Amino acid sequence: DAGVIQSPRHEVTEMGQEVTLRCKPISGHDYLFWYRQTMMRGLELLIYFNNNVPIDDSGMPEDRFSAKMPNASFSTLKIQPSEPRDSAVYFCASSSFLLANEQFFGPGTRLTVL
Amino acid sequence: AQSVTQLDSHVSVSEGTPVLLRCNYSSSYSPSLFWYVQHPNKGLQLLLKYTSAATLVKGINGFEAEFKKSETSFHLTKPSAHMSDAAEYFCVVNPNNAGKSTFGDGTTLTVKP
Repeated sequence: DAGVIQSPRHEVTEMGQEVTLRCKPISGHDYLFWYRQTMMRGLELLIYFNNNVPIDDSGMPEDRFSAKMPNASFSTLKIQPSEPRDSAVYFCASSSFLLANEQFFGPGTRLTVL
Repeated sequence: AQSVTQLDSHVSVSEGTPVLLRCNYSSSYSPSLFWYVQHPNKGLQLLLKYTSAATLVKGINGFEAEFKKSETSFHLTKPSAHMSDAAEYFCVVNPNNAGKSTFGDGTTLTVKP
């Protein structure tokens, strides 16, 4: 398996623009997580899905953030409109109940909002 | 509810000396416990995991951790530090095979030559 795949790896955009981050989890995993990491706030869980259904989105900072998982092999995290304080590394991870929920992380998307 | 406390935010050791990164947890259920490592500008990689089998767990790159239920601890150790071990380390608890895990705040390990 190729592991968790995220795209793009780097994104630079201007304030006010829409940003879409993409994630392909490991095949067969039933959980998918979106995290944000910054120097100031560390690693934060934004939202997670189980079998494509959002379970807990309490970490989503504002209504500007939204996440979807239309099928088992794809998820998006969208920021609209983006702001400079959204600049961070965004990680996607997936896990399986059958593997004691060990989380497998993608390489991350480094987002810079100017 | 579960929580994880990494007792040191920064640890500095000399190359060739032992490493000890401390982690205490609380969990209402029998937990699975994990250590992840993150090198600069990289993603998180699993070092080792405890899932109710042997209490002494061996991981990659010579690291190991011991699950001590009576002390609610899961400290990470390595006999001899290498320069390449310099990274951030996260202790993680997952209670009763729940979907969501709780991450500690991380410990930054510095290795001096």
